[in-house]
Amino acid sequence: DADVTQTPRNRITKTGKRIMLECSQTKGHDRMYWYRQDPGLGLRLIYYSFDVKDINKGEISDGYSVSRQAQAKFSLSLESAIPNQTALYFCATSPSSTAETFFGQGTRLTVV
Amino acid sequence: DAKTTQPPSMDCAEGRAANLPCNHSTISGNEYVYWYRQIHSQGPQYIIHGLKNNETNEMASLIITEDRKSSTLILPHATLRDTAVYYCIVRVAFPGGGADGLTFGKGTHLIIQP
Repeated sequence: DADVTQTPRNRITKTGKRIMLECSQTKGHDRMYWYRQDPGLGLRLIYYSFDVKDINKGEISDGYSVSRQAQAKFSLSLESAIPNQTALYFCATSPSSTAETFFGQGTRLTVV
Repeated sequence: DAKTTQPPSMDCAEGRAANLPCNHSTISGNEYVYWYRQIHSQGPQYIIHGLKNNETNEMASLIITEDRKSSTLILPHATLRDTAVYYCIVRVAFPGGGADGLTFGKGTHLIIQP
């Protein structure tokens, strides 16, 4: 089983719909992250969390919200999806800011 | 975090050493250099990181210049499976908190030729 699991792996949704992407990890790490990747570009940070009581905005948080339900679970929500949120979304974990970051396999989201 | 500059693409023959350069001329004293790679559209994979000393692990070597303004990732014997986008990232370390996350550029698309 993967250390960082994202569900769903692929999703097509309509404009205006609310959608949730889920992430769970078995690494026991406190830090969790959500990134998005657009074609031909590097990943950009949406939100990050140091623990269940600590949520922080990243570079591109507008239009997104997150929930850290437990140390192992970090969900990303699009309250009202729009086509320019079509992208590849990655969840990640890390034990600290100096250690390596472990990424999930990604969720490909298409908003039509 | 300091910005990095990488060539957009490079070719390397299978079995040869692949040397990927990265410029980070504005790096500050508490910033580490990290390398990740992304194969197709999979999640990025950590390769190596360092502060000022050269580092080596089972995947690669990292050579950081004495002034820390540039570095080179070396894959000693490249295989076809090393074809990927390689990201050089400079990151401030805040062990106790503060801003976090990785800032990705466009990276270098390394193509290993058979």
